[in-house]
Amino acid sequence: QQQVRQSSQSLTVWEGETAILNCSYENSAFDYFPWYQQFPGEGPALLIAIRSVSDKKEDGRFTIFFNKREKNLSLHIKDSQPGDSATYFCAASAGASGSWQLIFGSGTQLTVMP
Amino acid sequence: AQTIHQWPVAEIKAVGSPLSLGCTIKGKSSPNLYWYWQATGGTLQQLFYSITVGQVESVVQLNLSASRPKDDQFILSTEKLLLSHSGFYLCAWSLGGAHQDTQYFGPGTRLLVL
Repeated sequence: QQQVRQSSQSLTVWEGETAILNCSYENSAFDYFPWYQQFPGEGPALLIAIRSVSDKKEDGRFTIFFNKREKNLSLHIKDSQPGDSATYFCAASAGASGSWQLIFGSGTQLTVMP
Repeated sequence: AQTIHQWPVAEIKAVGSPLSLGCTIKGKSSPNLYWYWQATGGTLQQLFYSITVGQVESVVQLNLSASRPKDDQFILSTEKLLLSHSGFYLCAWSLGGAHQDTQYFGPGTRLLVL
């Protein structure tokens, strides 16, 4: 059973559009949700993260919308650029419950067409 | 600034041979350390974590072991490689102490077992 689920394996948008990547989770104890960006052959880089006490987190072109009741969240990338083409992983942890485990979704491969 | 270094960058090994992968963190005192495995095109699976020298906890059993001989060093090893060990191995760190859930990844080691 997937604890963190990313519904789209791939997503293609045009340059300048807003890319929306979705994520859902099972465990109500999850309280921290980072998004990582990974380019081929590289380690994942932390992009932006949100804690369950918030419903929105914004950092430049990147925004997380979080719905605790529905157990889902989304990453919005405004004004998408070809350089944003990468795989994006949603992850979750339950640190406040004493867990050391960070659980990743299966990833969404984003392609931004020029 | 903190830096994370993994070695080797890549390895090609025979089935049944031993393996040792290393990770070093510079610029952070007493970090929490983590090992992850990523199949080609797949998600990240946490393997081990360590919150202090000499102490390692296993998350998933994959016929691998880990050790933390120094505060800034984390080693992943096995005496006998399997074909299924092929993939991308990633080391990550977070601030030391409990409930430090923001993890930062290294550049990774690519392993091919033939």
